[in-house]
Amino acid sequence: ETGVTQSPTHLIKTRGQQVTLRCSSQSGHNTVSWYQQALGQGPQFIFQYYREEENGRGNFPPRFSGLQFPNYSSELNVNALELDDSALYLCASSRSGGPYEQYFGPGTRLTVT
Amino acid sequence: LAKTTQPISMDSYEGQEVNITCSHNNIATNDYITWYQQFPSQGPRFIIQGYKTKVTNEVASLFIPADRKSSTLSLPRVSLSDTAVYYCLVGVGSGGSYIPTFGRGTSLIVHP
Repeated sequence: ETGVTQSPTHLIKTRGQQVTLRCSSQSGHNTVSWYQQALGQGPQFIFQYYREEENGRGNFPPRFSGLQFPNYSSELNVNALELDDSALYLCASSRSGGPYEQYFGPGTRLTVT
Repeated sequence: LAKTTQPISMDSYEGQEVNITCSHNNIATNDYITWYQQFPSQGPRFIIQGYKTKVTNEVASLFIPADRKSSTLSLPRVSLSDTAVYYCLVGVGSGGSYIPTFGRGTSLIVHP
């Protein structure tokens, strides 16, 4: 069973730039969720994708957008980067339709300078 | 979604049992209670989930009283490697989606 993978591991961007983060879900999982975790805080829900459609969204501005592909992998795109976007971005996959266990990837550490 | 309250930090020693209590006073009828563990710079890892009474697996037990307004994660005989942040989550979502909401968690430090 393949676990959740994320790329890249680390990334440094400049304010105003755009970034794309990638996630491959665990086999058998059709739902992907993205979280932002600032230092010392719990993960904050960004959005969730199910069958290639956004299935729920947290309190994040529209410059945070995503995609899910037919193989259930996913991308998180952030436009017009701000310094406060510096965080660990986590992807989690799960089955759909209930409070199923989420499997998290190792995360992408984004630094905005 | 139901809000959860946990202690910010706890200290323990190797070999002791650790109990972390989470309050969720406005839990809904169809909400489940889930606990995750997170090590620094890693993604959270599922520990245990329950709806009522007691659930036990190979790493922990979860105690949920009848009113379900709180829950207690019990870690038997902790070791140094159990030093981590523990999150209590409550929720089931709607429309078939489950969107877990993390709080700040409890930072557990296990001392030798």
